Order: sequence, then structure tokens, then C-alpha cells
Amino acid sequence: DADVTQTPRNRITKTGKRIMLECSQTKGHDRMYWYRQDPGLGLRLIYYSFDVKDINKGEISDGYSVSRQAQAKFSLSLESAIPNQTALYFCATSIAGGPGTQYFGPGTRLTVL
Amino acid sequence: GENVEQHPSTLSVQEGDSAVIKCTYSDSASNYFPWYKQELGKRPQLIIDIRSNVGEKKDQRIAVTLNKTAKHFSLHITETQPEDSAVYFCAALLTGGGNKLTFGTGTQLKVEL
Repeated sequence: DADVTQTPRNRITKTGKRIMLECSQTKGHDRMYWYRQDPGLGLRLIYYSFDVKDINKGEISDGYSVSRQAQAKFSLSLESAIPNQTALYFCATSIAGGPGTQYFGPGTRLTVL
Repeated sequence: GENVEQHPSTLSVQEGDSAVIKCTYSDSASNYFPWYKQELGKRPQLIIDIRSNVGEKKDQRIAVTLNKTAKHFSLHITETQPEDSAVYFCAALLTGGGNKLTFGTGTQLKVEL
């Protein structure tokens, strides 16, 4: 959906570097999510936020942190990147009070050397 | 938390045949079940969903069935076409558990000419 954008789309970095992935949305949704996708493992939740003051860990939050700068912006940081964080990262949004449908951004392909 | 299992991991069908992908979930409190299609290099996109108060839902060549007693749901694609080739993910929403979607590990569907 063109209303959810992610930057950068591709990034190659080195072990130990700090990386920030950004997500912006114009859908007006309250809820935002970060997932990582690895082959054969599906989509796994890293962090989620139901509003600006609400941040929650997902199933694989170790090594990651997030910041919800505004309703429309949700950033994911890798404090010290390691090779097994090489993956495709997706941001998603959903509307509070809705059925739970999530709308995904285009993804960021991150490679950690 | 919720656990979703998805089978098969790969599925190859001839054009015009039907395809069925099955998912099971563990928590009977889950009440919303979306299906996403992810084409190569693209974001996951919602193709159909079903709520727990409904047993079946259809949209043209796509249908989803839900058996709450057995805690399983299935995606049915009839008259498959080459453009149906993609990875399909099922998911379950557990209310009261942070309203998080838990995804299956995906099915790679290949429609052969």
C-alpha cells in the first residue's frame, strides 16, 4: 500500500554499526508494527506500538529498539548490527478498533557483513 | 501466546486446478484470520479474511473456511492462474493478548502452465 513507506529500501552495513530503519504512514492508523522476514520462518514480530506513548516487545526484540516519534512515524534501530540480523524488515499499520487487518510497507532489505 | 502452523510449505499445481493451503491455530480466543499474498520482492498484501463468527467467505476464485472447533482454517483457490504464483501467509489475531497477529511460516504456490 503506497500509504506506508519505509526508508531505506536496501542497506548494506558492517558488524557493530548502528542502523536505523524508518517507517512513515499517511493512513492515520494508531497502531504500528515492525516485523522481520527470514526464508522459511514467515513474519516475526519485533516491536509494536498502539500509540505514541505505548511501546511493546514482540517475540524477537533482543538486539533491537524502537522509537515512535509521532503517530505517523515508527523507527527501528539495531544498536550494534550482527550478521544474523540480515533479513527483510517490514513495517505495518492497523487501525485501532478495527478487525486487526495490517497494511504493510514495501520492506527494507538489510545485509550485515 | 498464539501459535500458527501452516501446510504445505510448497505447493505446485497445474493451471486451472485448485489449490488448498491449511493452517491450524492454538488459542481458541483468536477471532480474526487474514490471508496475505506476497509476490516476489513485494510486500504482503491482504487477499481475504474471516472472523470467528463466520464459517466461510468467498471472493471470486478465493475462499476461506474456518472450523473453530478444530481450530483450523483453509485458503481455497480455484481455477488457478500463473499470476497466483506467490507465497501465501495465514495469520491469527489473539484478542486480549495485545491484539497481535501471529503468522504461519508461508506456502510457496507455483502454478505451472
